[in-house]
Amino acid sequence: QQQVKQSPQSLIVQKGGIPIINCAYENTAFDYFPWYQQFPGKGPALLIAIRPDVSEKKEGRFTISFNKSAKQFSLHIMDSQPGDSATYFCAASRGGTYKYIFGTGTRLKVLA
Amino acid sequence: NAGVTQTPKFRVLKTGQSMTLLCAQDMNHEYMYWYRQDPGMGLRLIHYSVGEGTTAKGEVPDGYNVSRLKKQNFLLGLESAAPSQTSVYFCASSDPTYNSPLHFGNGTRLTVT
Repeated sequence: QQQVKQSPQSLIVQKGGIPIINCAYENTAFDYFPWYQQFPGKGPALLIAIRPDVSEKKEGRFTISFNKSAKQFSLHIMDSQPGDSATYFCAASRGGTYKYIFGTGTRLKVLA
Repeated sequence: NAGVTQTPKFRVLKTGQSMTLLCAQDMNHEYMYWYRQDPGMGLRLIHYSVGEGTTAKGEVPDGYNVSRLKKQNFLLGLESAAPSQTSVYFCASSDPTYNSPLHFGNGTRLTVT
């Protein structure tokens, strides 16, 4: 019940495409869902996050869609660029615990 | 402003050897964490600390020990390394405020032969 399932494991898109990464969770007590971006040789860094009281959040070319009833959330990258090539992790946390459960990661490659 | 600094960046150990991974943060964060990252497994929490002098177990604590003697430092120890501990280790820190983001270091790549 503590797992966060992430798919796909890897993704290749052409420049300008819209890669979509999906995550699903079981624990309805989770109330915060961040996405982290990791470049090779670096630590993950917060990209965008959402709370379950909204269905969508946009920051620049990155959008999170959230479906509370299905217990799923996804990351969309609009007009993807080669510089977006990285590993993306979804995560979930339960308020007050300050501990995050991470998905298994998606390696994205955007071709020029 | 360095953020979270991890040392060393790379290390190779023989089975049974011991070592300590060092993590330092200059953001005055209360919370600190140690994660390991393995292919197909994502990031798994080893131990964490909610303040100086405190530590707690995460998802995969076996074979590791930690100490938080100073607020800015969080040490991860391997007393008797095993090949299963070959991994990339990340330290992170955060504020104690609700949903405060994690700030990660750049990792330590450890190989145990």
